Amino acid sequence: DAGITQSPRHKVTETGTPVTLRCHQTENHRYMYWYRQDPGHGLRLIHYSYGVKDTDKGEVSDGYSVSRSKTEDFLLTLESATSSQTSVYFCATTSRARGSSYEQYFGPGTRLTVT
Amino acid sequence: AQTVTQSQPEMSVQEAETVTLSCTYDTSESNYYLFWYKQPPSRQMILVIRQEAYKQQNATENRFSVNFQKAAKSFSLKISDSQLGDTAMYFCAFMKHGPNNNDMRFGAGTRLTVKP
Repeated sequence: DAGITQSPRHKVTETGTPVTLRCHQTENHRYMYWYRQDPGHGLRLIHYSYGVKDTDKGEVSDGYSVSRSKTEDFLLTLESATSSQTSVYFCATTSRARGSSYEQYFGPGTRLTVT
Repeated sequence: AQTVTQSQPEMSVQEAETVTLSCTYDTSESNYYLFWYKQPPSRQMILVIRQEAYKQQNATENRFSVNFQKAAKSFSLKISDSQLGDTAMYFCAFMKHGPNNNDMRFGAGTRLTVKP
């Protein structure tokens, strides 16, 4: 499995504060993704990256921004956290190399609570 | 946009028996991938099985197999000889084929409990 770590693993923050979640991978995968998981919704894509400094929006991108300055790191920022952003956040990667299966490898998740 | 529907929010099965989880999807694409992911209480997302739409043969991985019905847009997961460790949330996922596509769509999940 791809080596994907997320930090922090748990965070409690107050409404209106900025929050940054970090995803780090050791597999040199080109593509990286941020999802949020909520009951009844499965996983929904927030943002993704297809290379260093190349990012794009996903299905639920409002209130989130991302940055990727190195292949191995993908940051998700909540500029001003709201209670609706309380969720479990997953990072995922995939290589998309020729002949690959498009399988995404997931990090362990970050539980974020906004009070 | 593609949608994935898992109509069974919860299911249970006795240890050693067989259980089938349902998944349907909506797409106008002809070439795509389908996946089943398992999420145990540890929260880690684990790939169970994958299926390429252009392959007619159903994928199998040990005790896990799928029934892929392309015309019906159905992709069910069969777990044989259920084990206690199979207790988890199971997510069906769909992804279009193509280098510029990055949108994997997930169903809402089925919570499976294996009873001793």
